[in-house]
Amino acid sequence: NAGVTQTPKFQVLKTGQSMTLQCAQDMNHEYMSWYRQDPGMGLRLIHYSVGAGITDQGEVPNGYNVSRSTTEDFPLRLLSAAPSQTSVYFCASSRRGSKVYEQYFGPGTRLTVT
Amino acid sequence: KNEVEQSPQNLTAQEGEFITINCSYSVGISALHWLQQHPGGGIVSLFMLSSGKKKHGRLIATINIQEKHSSLHITASHPRDSAVYICAVSELGSNYQLIWGAGTKLIIKP
Repeated sequence: NAGVTQTPKFQVLKTGQSMTLQCAQDMNHEYMSWYRQDPGMGLRLIHYSVGAGITDQGEVPNGYNVSRSTTEDFPLRLLSAAPSQTSVYFCASSRRGSKVYEQYFGPGTRLTVT
Repeated sequence: KNEVEQSPQNLTAQEGEFITINCSYSVGISALHWLQQHPGGGIVSLFMLSSGKKKHGRLIATINIQEKHSSLHITASHPRDSAVYICAVSELGSNYQLIWGAGTKLIIKP
């Protein structure tokens, strides 16, 4: 049971390049989300999904796309990278139901856009 | 005003000291989460609580729903406890989306 995995761990992009951050979980969790973490700020929600085929925007969705074709995978696509997207990105998952469940986080992807 | 506020923002203490980190929130919640992030590391859930008190090893989390306040205590602190401690709440009606505090950076000196 690997939990939540993210690849790559580190990435450097030039302005205007596109890329996909990968996230996978093997716990059969319905809920998955992407956050960005910037110095001095709390985690900010980018996009989330409550199940395969269902995605929605979070607090800071601009410049990012997501899809959820399977329960396990939730990739985050940067369409045209900008220096403002330099950040650490975390993927998280949890069960979804009538009560609150613990969230599990991936190890993070540190992205630098030059 | 942020919906989840933590204090202090930074805390430096000597090994062995009793540590308290506070979290106040302004929304109705179904649960409050305490998480830990080591430097350059991932985020790990420590506690999820909706009432009373929970204990795990040297860590204790308490919550007062009426006062909308929670505390995280560390007894007999150790340098390996140095990390950022984050408070987050699950707002009523949204069981899986969290509202995040900015975190408290704790440094324990040997």
